[in-house]
Amino acid sequence: DAGVIQSPRHEVTEMGQEVTLRCKPISGHDYLFWYRQTMMRGLELLIYFNNNVPIDDSGMPEDRFSAKMPNASFSTLKIQPSEPRDSAVYFCASRIHPQNTEAFFGQGTRLTVV
Amino acid sequence: AQKVTQAQTEISVVEKEDVTLDCVYETRDTTYYLFWYKQPPSGELVFLIRRNSFDEQNEISGRYSWNFQKSTSSFNFTITASQVVDSAVYFCALSEAYSGGGADGLTFGKGTHLIIQP
Repeated sequence: DAGVIQSPRHEVTEMGQEVTLRCKPISGHDYLFWYRQTMMRGLELLIYFNNNVPIDDSGMPEDRFSAKMPNASFSTLKIQPSEPRDSAVYFCASRIHPQNTEAFFGQGTRLTVV
Repeated sequence: AQKVTQAQTEISVVEKEDVTLDCVYETRDTTYYLFWYKQPPSGELVFLIRRNSFDEQNEISGRYSWNFQKSTSSFNFTITASQVVDSAVYFCALSEAYSGGGADGLTFGKGTHLIIQP
């Protein structure tokens, strides 16, 4: 398996623009997670899905952020409108059902909002 | 709420030295899971180990070893005979089993930046 695939790897956008980050989880994995990494706050869980259903989005910073998982092999994280403080590395991760299994992370998307 | 503390922000050692990275966690659950991840300069997060709360047996994998002590809520990571390739940021993380929404996600510590000098 190719692992968790994220695109794009790097994104530079202007403040106010819409940004869409994409993730393809490992085939067969029931859970998908979106994390954000910043120098100030470290790694934070934004939202996670189980069998394509959002379970907990309490980590989503504000209404400008939204995430979808239309099918088992694809998820998006959208920021509209983007702001400079959204600049961060966004990671997608997936794992199989039992909670005592490890999550596998994608390579991340480095987002810069200017 | 759960919390993971990695008090060492940065550690610098000379190659071949042994080094221990500390991790202290807080949780109200009796069943939980602890993890270590490595983030090399290239940026990806690489899984190293998982430990269940009911299994306090320490583990060794090559030059890596982990010491899990429930009595002190610690899950420390030791690298023996460190190498330059071990230079990375290392994260300790916790997942609780039955605390409701968000239980399936990982709570990460702030990470320890390990620098191995040649």
